[in-house]
Amino acid sequence: EVQLVESGGGLVKPGQSLKLSCTTSGFNFGDYAMSWFRQAPGKGLEWVGFIRSTALGGTTEYAASVKGRFTISRDDSRSIAHLQMNSLKTDDSAVYYCSRVGGISMIIIQYYYVDYWGHGTLVTVSS
Amino acid sequence: DIQLTQSPSSLSASVGDRVTITCRPSQSISSSLNWYQQKPGKAPNLLIYAASNLQSGVPSRFSGSGSGTGFTLTISSLQPEDFATYYCQQSHNTPWTFGQGTKVEIK
Repeated sequence: EVQLVESGGGLVKPGQSLKLSCTTSGFNFGDYAMSWFRQAPGKGLEWVGFIRSTALGGTTEYAASVKGRFTISRDDSRSIAHLQMNSLKTDDSAVYYCSRVGGISMIIIQYYYVDYWGHGTLVTVSS
Repeated sequence: DIQLTQSPSSLSASVGDRVTITCRPSQSISSSLNWYQQKPGKAPNLLIYAASNLQSGVPSRFSGSGSGTGFTLTISSLQPEDFATYYCQQSHNTPWTFGQGTKVEIK
């Protein structure tokens, strides 16, 4: 059974840092890209960024709103993904979800989707 | 960035009704469109990927269609457990973006 469990959320002050972890099991972690999303209270879903599989270079992409402040990393030996969040702002307050990125190839085109999500961890940035 | 316009933003329907939600990207995205269901306090759940492919374990009353700049999610016969918020999401380009959501409520 595929499982993703986020940890590390909490209450921090503006300007402070927080590191979220996503502990996974039930699949070959190294074969998959991993992505983070967030959802502010009562709002819609927002993509934060993703990290490609190590086989594809382990490179990262980020939303403009977090680029330069957030860093996604992966530890394939422990099947864990991390989201390091620096210089936090009140607008970063949200439930943060870790997710697995699936993909299929159809007529040479690769399509990506999120097939498994963690339960989410709440990050509150407030003075 | 690719904007996704989802409509309606909310709807009221009865059990057994056929429900259709549309999603229109601001530019062509081929078939790189996914649909998710989210219930209050829970993580989203993948329903449809690559526009028309039913995710394993999802009831067959859910279906997706479309390509390019117009997509549809259809629930053929609404069930009590289907009352939730539905989001479309594009993975054609980064940043990945979502529609604003459609809340399906009980009439």
